[in-house]
Amino acid sequence: SAVISQKPSRDICQRGTSLTIQCQVDSQVTMMFWYRQQPGQSLTLIATANQGSEATYESGFVIDKFPISRPNLTFSTLTVSNMSPEDSSIYLCSASGSGQPQHFGDGTRLSIL
Amino acid sequence: QKEVEQDPGPLSVPEGAIVSLNCTYSNSAFQYFMWYRQYSRKGPELLMYTYSSGNKEDGRFTAQVDKSSKYISLFIRDSQPSDSATYLCAMSASPQSGSEKLVFGKGTKLTVNP
Repeated sequence: SAVISQKPSRDICQRGTSLTIQCQVDSQVTMMFWYRQQPGQSLTLIATANQGSEATYESGFVIDKFPISRPNLTFSTLTVSNMSPEDSSIYLCSASGSGQPQHFGDGTRLSIL
Repeated sequence: QKEVEQDPGPLSVPEGAIVSLNCTYSNSAFQYFMWYRQYSRKGPELLMYTYSSGNKEDGRFTAQVDKSSKYISLFIRDSQPSDSATYLCAMSASPQSGSEKLVFGKGTKLTVNP
């Protein structure tokens, strides 16, 4: 299965600032996704990162708040914009090959002061 | 009603016990069913995935799916302290093996005591 690396692994940020999280896969994959994991809550899909086109966002998530890029088949970024304490969470990248289940990175632990 | 329900526990068992973890769901379109294991400060690790109803065994782990009851289970035999983790069930309506949107349960925290 693909190895997925995320950077940074954790960060503490000031409210009102933005942070870009990087996700690198060690092989070409068909699909890449971004999830959010909040304490006591289910892992929730933010968006599907589409290579060469705009991401597909789930209900409740918008591009202005969570812009996503996917310039090629192995790399994607998620930006958390204009952060508030409610954005404190773990952000996870996942990837899958064609017809294969998703595998996850270790996540980015984000705290907003 | 949430799409996927999972008892968060915590669940504490002695080493060597048989562990049963369960999820129920409401969306009959789900076709692929997965179990992920998540250690503290790590990402979810794929443990088992099954298509439609039936059983799948891998070593000490058995996954069961009952689509008629909308109920899935993960059994762990001869549990070990290294099995202590949070177990997440996940489901997909994708026709391609869960390669699209996954819907997760909240996870069950398991502790296996030596």
